Amino acid sequence: QSVLTQPPSASGTPGQRVTISCSGSSSNIGTNIVNWYHQVPGTAPKLLIYNNNQRPSGVPDRFSGSKSGTSASLAISGLQSEDEADYYCAAWDDSLNGWVFGGGTKLTVL
Amino acid sequence: EVQLVESGGGLVKPGGSLRLSCAASGFTFSTYAMSWVRQAPGKGLEWVSSISSSSGYIYYVDSMKGRFTISRDNARDSLYLQMNSLRAEDTAIYYCAREIRSRYFDLWGRGTLVTVSS
Repeated sequence: QSVLTQPPSASGTPGQRVTISCSGSSSNIGTNIVNWYHQVPGTAPKLLIYNNNQRPSGVPDRFSGSKSGTSASLAISGLQSEDEADYYCAAWDDSLNGWVFGGGTKLTVL
Repeated sequence: EVQLVESGGGLVKPGGSLRLSCAASGFTFSTYAMSWVRQAPGKGLEWVSSISSSSGYIYYVDSMKGRFTISRDNARDSLYLQMNSLRAEDTAIYYCAREIRSRYFDLWGRGTLVTVSS
């Protein structure tokens, strides 16, 4: 049972917009920044969004993040087949004194 | 090239020990906090431990306190994870990751597989 809650799966067709939610609590998302990582199965995770809504160099602006209260979300617009991956949210938890991750959302492009 | 390379994984019996290493290159290792994150087969990411740049701050997930020890050697640009009293549920790929100002992980290694089985 992950501290941050994500839907286990999401899907969309090419060109569509998809959002993935991440729900936490006052000790993690409510107080600290949220980051998003994506992982193609068999490869290492990569940073996708940091500081709630910032994109690292090289990440297309089709990817955007937002945070409100104790929840965050990742939006992917103009869905492409190469976006198929697992997506994880993460935040520091002040009560646990450690990083917490969501359980991951498997995105399928139909 | 900026990279992290893990090593030291393998097959170990329950109750056994293993020491993982992470070699950093292409950046000033001594100025960054570092972490270990693991992923059990078919499961999600789980943070294991973090260490500050000068080893002054160390954090562990509660379930691994007392069994795992994180350390670093800034002279050798290396991060370590000593794992003792290993259990079947410790079977996972172990990734080392670089932390940026303790706010996010911006660089990950490819991971090393640890299998705990008799």
